Amino acid sequence: TQLLEQSPQFLSIQEGENLTVYCNSSSVFSSLQWYRQEPGEGPVLLVTVVTGGEVKKLKRLTFQFGDARKDSSLHITAAQPGDTGLYLCAGLNFGNEKLTFGTGTRLTIIP
Amino acid sequence: NAGVTQTPKFQVLKTGQSMTLQCAQDMNHEYMSWYRQDPGMGLRLIHYSVGAGITDQGEVPNGYNVSRSTTEDFPLRLLSAAPSQTSVYFCASGGSSGYQPQHFGDGTRLSIL
Repeated sequence: TQLLEQSPQFLSIQEGENLTVYCNSSSVFSSLQWYRQEPGEGPVLLVTVVTGGEVKKLKRLTFQFGDARKDSSLHITAAQPGDTGLYLCAGLNFGNEKLTFGTGTRLTIIP
Repeated sequence: NAGVTQTPKFQVLKTGQSMTLQCAQDMNHEYMSWYRQDPGMGLRLIHYSVGAGITDQGEVPNGYNVSRSTTEDFPLRLLSAAPSQTSVYFCASGGSSGYQPQHFGDGTRLSIL
């Protein structure tokens, strides 16, 4: 089983602050996805990164795939209350189409 | 658009009972999967399917069966419910592989007494 550890597990910050969430593994993934989940709902895809070193931006969110394709980070600039939610990374294993999810980071933005 | 529909939304079972969680998608996706979500553990893959007639095990398959007779449906069967199976179950579908964006249902909250 390929494990994806996310840190921190919980994060509570004031509106307007910046933050970074990390997703780490000892295994190499062919691609990596980030999802956000609201209470009572299923996760919703934010982004997919495929190439080592790739950086993608989604408004105030910046996603980076590590050069070795073992880790990823999500940076949020000037956090807003609407960013509150559970953030999950998910890595696609080579060869068997299994999508492995990370342990999750629960983010709370305080107005 | 219906997307991925899971039924029921809530269920309470007694230990030893069996039941089937239903999952249907109307997007003609080949790839479907079942996950369970427990506090502090993210989503763990139970079973997945890359097309009708093809299924494979995920990380935590014990105690669960699946079948994929049509592209649209991917039911999850609990053979003999145990308290350790108390969880929130999510079904997802997407494209032709796990690389494609996965569309999730709203989950089934299952309690085993």
